[in-house]
Amino acid sequence: NAGVTQTPKFRVLKTGQSMTLLCAQDMNHEYMYWYRQDPGMGLRLIHYSVGEGTTAKGEVPDGYNVSRLKKQNFLLGLESAAPSQTSVYFCASSYIQGNSPLHFGNGTRLTVT
Amino acid sequence: AQSVSQHNHHVILSEAASLELGCNYSYGGTVNLFWYVQYPGQHLQLLLKYFSGDPLVKGIKGFEAEFIKSKFSFNLRKPSVQWSDTAEYFCAVTPNQAGTALIFGKGTTLSVSS
Repeated sequence: NAGVTQTPKFRVLKTGQSMTLLCAQDMNHEYMYWYRQDPGMGLRLIHYSVGEGTTAKGEVPDGYNVSRLKKQNFLLGLESAAPSQTSVYFCASSYIQGNSPLHFGNGTRLTVT
Repeated sequence: AQSVSQHNHHVILSEAASLELGCNYSYGGTVNLFWYVQYPGQHLQLLLKYFSGDPLVKGIKGFEAEFIKSKFSFNLRKPSVQWSDTAEYFCAVTPNQAGTALIFGKGTTLSVSS
């Protein structure tokens, strides 16, 4: 089982460039999430989705957009990257909300110069 | 909105010492509580979870946590730590209602010396 797969694993962007991070899960999970992890800040929720075609804002949504066109995929977009978006991004999925543990991808390390 | 507070930013212990990591949350309703662990260079893995029932829950690798509703706390414990427990530990909470997502604390780094 692949579980949760994130691509790419590493990326360097210049300020103002755009990019899309892809998250794919093969567990038929309804819920998918994007978090960013920064030193001393823990994981902060960017956006999440409770099902195909739905998205919702998390704690730190500004500067990001997401789409969930297919149940297995959850895309995170940066339209105009800023140095403050330098971070490690984790995608996660869960079967249902609440009492289902999250399954995490291996992360994407993004550097914006 | 719910929030999670982890009291200790960095804990340093010797092998065989006992561990207790504090976690408090703010939310007035029913919650589901989790502890996740992140070993160096890896993604987060579930350590244990509490949904209902016995407030003392046991997880993997000898960890346990106690839910004290009156204190809004969910502290993680281990009687005797090992060098391999060196990792970052995250407490997380989600309300027990549809449409909400898991919110994490800022994490506690545990360093265990052999």
